[in-house]
Amino acid sequence: DAGVTQSPTHLIKTRGQQVTLRCSPISGHKSVSWYQQVLGQGPQFIFQYYEKEERGRGNFPDRFSARQFPNYSSELNVNALLLGDSALYLCASSLVGVYEQYFGPGTRLTVT
Amino acid sequence: KNQVEQSPQSLIILEGKNCTLQCNYTVSPFSNLRWYKQDTGRGPVSLTIMTFSENTKSNGRYTATLDADTKQSSLHITASQLSDSASYICVVALETGGYNKLIFGAGTRLAVHP
Repeated sequence: DAGVTQSPTHLIKTRGQQVTLRCSPISGHKSVSWYQQVLGQGPQFIFQYYEKEERGRGNFPDRFSARQFPNYSSELNVNALLLGDSALYLCASSLVGVYEQYFGPGTRLTVT
Repeated sequence: KNQVEQSPQSLIILEGKNCTLQCNYTVSPFSNLRWYKQDTGRGPVSLTIMTFSENTKSNGRYTATLDADTKQSSLHITASQLSDSASYICVVALETGGYNKLIFGAGTRLAVHP
């Protein structure tokens, strides 16, 4: 039984570019959440989606956007990348809400 | 302000020894508290989840406690193994408008040495 998968594993971008990160939830899970984890810190909540609708948003600028597809997979988009966007981006899925939430391995984004 | 604070920031212990990690939180309205283990560069893995009414919960060699009155939690690791080397993150969920929002601590980095 596959867990949460994320792609790509690693990514290097330059300032000002745009990036799209992808997440496939565990089969049957309808909720996907995105987190940013800067080195040495705990994850920070970015978005939660449930049944293709945004259900929660953290304190991130409008450069960050996301969407959930009919198959419940999700994409996180970040525009106009800044050096400070360098982080591990985690996706987590759950049946509903975030009670039993399972994390993916993350995408390591480096902005140079 | 909703915050989760963990101590110590880092810890080194010898294999086979026990240790206890601390978590203090100021989160309201409280829904549940969970402990995660995160290996370097990997996603967090859930160890325990406790609701308001639960005082203690175990998962193998990991035992978590919760004191909802003092808003404190601890994670006790018994007979540590080299594979316990990781970051341990305390997370508190609050209920906001029908969904749970998670507040993460910064984690305690544990190193188990032979």
